[in-house]
Amino acid sequence: EAGVVQSPRYKIIEKKQPVAFWCNPISGHNTLYWYLQNLGQGPELLIRYENEEAVDDSQLPKDRFSAERLKGVDSTLKIQPAELGDSAVYLCASSSGGLYNEQFFGPGTRLTVL
Amino acid sequence: GQQLNQSPQSMFIQEGEDVSMNCTSSSIFNTWLWYKQDPGEGPVLLIALYKAGELTSNGRLTAQFGTTRKDSFLNISASIPSDVGIYFCAGHQGETSGSRLTFGEGTQLTVNP
Repeated sequence: EAGVVQSPRYKIIEKKQPVAFWCNPISGHNTLYWYLQNLGQGPELLIRYENEEAVDDSQLPKDRFSAERLKGVDSTLKIQPAELGDSAVYLCASSSGGLYNEQFFGPGTRLTVL
Repeated sequence: GQQLNQSPQSMFIQEGEDVSMNCTSSSIFNTWLWYKQDPGEGPVLLIALYKAGELTSNGRLTAQFGTTRKDSFLNISASIPSDVGIYFCAGHQGETSGSRLTFGEGTQLTVNP
């Protein structure tokens, strides 16, 4: 069974440019998460989707970050415009329904903003 | 910000040695999870703990959910080179499905052959 797929794996952009990350969760997983991982830190939740609904986006900086999961399957996270401090790894995870359900993580997209 | 204090930040050990790392919080957690992250990969779940006092093993790994529900430890016995990586503790504070998972800052483990 395929795991969580993310693309691109690496992205280098100049500040003020837009960037988008894509995630395809494990088949059948209705819950999708986007995390931000700064260097030397643990992941921090940005947004959680239950199917196509964003049920926890309180940590998402909405002035420049946006996300969508239109058909309740794959998802896109966008930053516009990117800032130097956005350089980090963006992880996607998915899980099936249930209490304290295990989250399976993708390999992440490493973003470098110059 | 993160509420889990993980220690030590890094460890350098010889192959065959045992390792212990722990995680503490000022808040009560309802689950404690331990993940391992290899370079260029996402975290992978090693052990999940759901009850205060619970002691769970997974091969050479043993983890315990502290009785106060504010701490947990992970032990690795007879370390091998492939144990190298970053180990994260994580936990849920809520009691509902999908409550937010909080991560510690990680322990970087280096194993010298």
